[in-house]
Amino acid sequence: DIVLTQSPGTLSMSPGERATLSCRASQTIISTYLAWYQHKPGQAPRLIIYGASNRATGIPDRFSGSGSGTDFTLTISGLEPEDFAVYYCQQFNTFGPGTKLEIK
Amino acid sequence: EAQLVESGGGLVQPGGSLRLSCAAFGFPFSSYWMSWVRQAPGKGLEWVANINQDESEKYYVDSVKGRFTISRDNAKNSLYLQMNSLRAEDTAVYYCARRHRNCFDPWGQGTLVTVSS
Repeated sequence: DIVLTQSPGTLSMSPGERATLSCRASQTIISTYLAWYQHKPGQAPRLIIYGASNRATGIPDRFSGSGSGTDFTLTISGLEPEDFAVYYCQQFNTFGPGTKLEIK
Repeated sequence: EAQLVESGGGLVQPGGSLRLSCAAFGFPFSSYWMSWVRQAPGKGLEWVANINQDESEKYYVDSVKGRFTISRDNAKNSLYLQMNSLRAEDTAVYYCARRHRNCFDPWGQGTLVTVSS
């Protein structure tokens, strides 16, 4: 089974900064199957990126996804207060452990 | 807009049973695979089960095989998770989600299941 590893575990940033979150797969995966989610406490997880680089409906363009093979990145340019949350990558039925993006 | 609303969570003793429901709105429910995903306290997201459109294919995470059963009623636009022989480690918020473009989208708001004596 493919294992997804996310780094860092926690990322402390300030509003306005650029955040870079990493997701690494234990073996090569098809980019079509890589997605990113945002999850805030008490809320439903929200799809941010699908197919490694496609923004989901209603997602602002400060969110971007990239990568291929085993290494994928979620970039948030110009952090807004509402962006602080936990972010998960996903491939098929496997989720990464998450990166907590917290306010510095 | 596609929406999902879960219900049926609660407190149950170890060894007990519970049935979760998920009502779907705003999309052709019968056309999609559906899933259950859970989040234990302080932990990340864990996929639990998938079901295809006509219930001919069902898949489960190993830890729930033989104890949980996923099902659906397309006439009622509803998804279910029958959970038997519950264990403390099944304590979690359970989310239903539509499978779309190899993703989980959207998700319901979740229902809390607590297994404790």
